[in-house]
Amino acid sequence: AQSVAQPEDQVNVAEGNPLTVKCTYSVSGNPYLFWYVQYPNRGLQFLLKYITGDNLVKGSYGFEAEFNKSQTSFHLKKPSALVSDSALYFCAVRRGSGNNRLAFGKGNQVVVIP
Amino acid sequence: GAVVSQHPSWVICKSGTSVKIECRSLDFQATTMFWYRQFPKQSLMLMATSNEGSKATYEQGVEKDKFLINHASLTLSTLTVTSAHPEDSSFYICSAFLAGENTGELFFGEGSRLTVL
Repeated sequence: AQSVAQPEDQVNVAEGNPLTVKCTYSVSGNPYLFWYVQYPNRGLQFLLKYITGDNLVKGSYGFEAEFNKSQTSFHLKKPSALVSDSALYFCAVRRGSGNNRLAFGKGNQVVVIP
Repeated sequence: GAVVSQHPSWVICKSGTSVKIECRSLDFQATTMFWYRQFPKQSLMLMATSNEGSKATYEQGVEKDKFLINHASLTLSTLTVTSAHPEDSSFYICSAFLAGENTGELFFGEGSRLTVL
């Protein structure tokens, strides 16, 4: 079965500094990888995905993520964090064929300090 | 982008009553929808997969008689929490894939906050 690990509970970063949220995954076959963001009492919003092709994926709001097959990682990055980026971030994975169920990580709370 | 609407956003009910939550895909058809439950500061727990025109598939440990799911059309799935109790209080979120889309992302509703008194 597929699984995702987000090792940190909370990531604190000063406004304007680079932001990194870590994610490693486990799945048989080719992974489909996703990042979502959740604001308080809201549903999840899609940020970006990796299906195939270029390992560096660019998404919404200036976020990007790099797929690293050898390290089974898909870390989320943003060059310059904004206070409005403070939210809960989820990494998710599913198998590339057949089963379309997503496995979510536990989530990372990002706090951007003004 | 595809929009998924959930209703109601907030609901407060008395213990023992039943509550229905609707999940609608507004601008696309969804043969499959998913229902999640989220506890404070925790990840999403998949409760069930809702399939249009057939019975829902429940995850292990989720009571199907407690959480009734109906997916009667390609744009609507409902979750009914029957005989609700305070421990059922939670944030419930639905999501859907675009029908026929195998590589795309899930589109999520805004969630429904259930409080059982």
